Amino acid sequence: QKEVEQDPGPLSVPEGAIVSLNCTYSNSAFQYFMWYRQYSRKGPELLMYTYSSGNKEDGRFTAQVDKSSKYISLFIRDSQPSDSATYLCAMSGGGNNRLAFGKGNQVVVIP
Amino acid sequence: GAVVSQHPSRVICKSGTSVKIECRSLDFQATTMFWYRQFPKQSLMLMATSNEGSKATYEQGVEKDKFLINHASLTLSTLTVTSAHPEDSSFYICSAPTGTGDEKLFFGSGTQLSVL
Repeated sequence: QKEVEQDPGPLSVPEGAIVSLNCTYSNSAFQYFMWYRQYSRKGPELLMYTYSSGNKEDGRFTAQVDKSSKYISLFIRDSQPSDSATYLCAMSGGGNNRLAFGKGNQVVVIP
Repeated sequence: GAVVSQHPSRVICKSGTSVKIECRSLDFQATTMFWYRQFPKQSLMLMATSNEGSKATYEQGVEKDKFLINHASLTLSTLTVTSAHPEDSSFYICSAPTGTGDEKLFFGSGTQLSVL
């Protein structure tokens, strides 16, 4: 079993729809959870960051962490064509910045 | 967020040549930087950890003589792909933590290497 599982998609949604992405993980020591957005042939950009369990909201983006289920989610409300990108989940147990990444989920928002 | 600058963004070279990629932290000091490789539609694969003032730590299966890493200052790490071959063609990305203990990594814009 891989440390982090993420369905690679692709996921196509119409503009304005809610995008729902998730990752599962196996390492109960993970405490730091991140979502990165990566446009084609660009470096990943940190989108959301959560420490331990809970929800975090930033504009149209909401990140949720459920440590009891080892499950994290990213929601994008009122999706825009500019949200079309690959979204990677990443997590760490802390102490060395060695993040475990999901495979990435390609999202396409259709105008 | 913190800014990591990576150059060049694209390199096309002949087989057998060496290519150097630079990674700079612009507004913070980075004692550690990470180098990743990414194939199309795949996730990031950690190649090595670059440590300022000491030898890099390579992941299993990564040839240290092929991928030379130098971290000469607190803001600059370089990756040199020596005697590049077509199978080395890939997207290379560097990243750096800010050192604040929050485990966040900030990435460079990546370098697309194409070896002919």
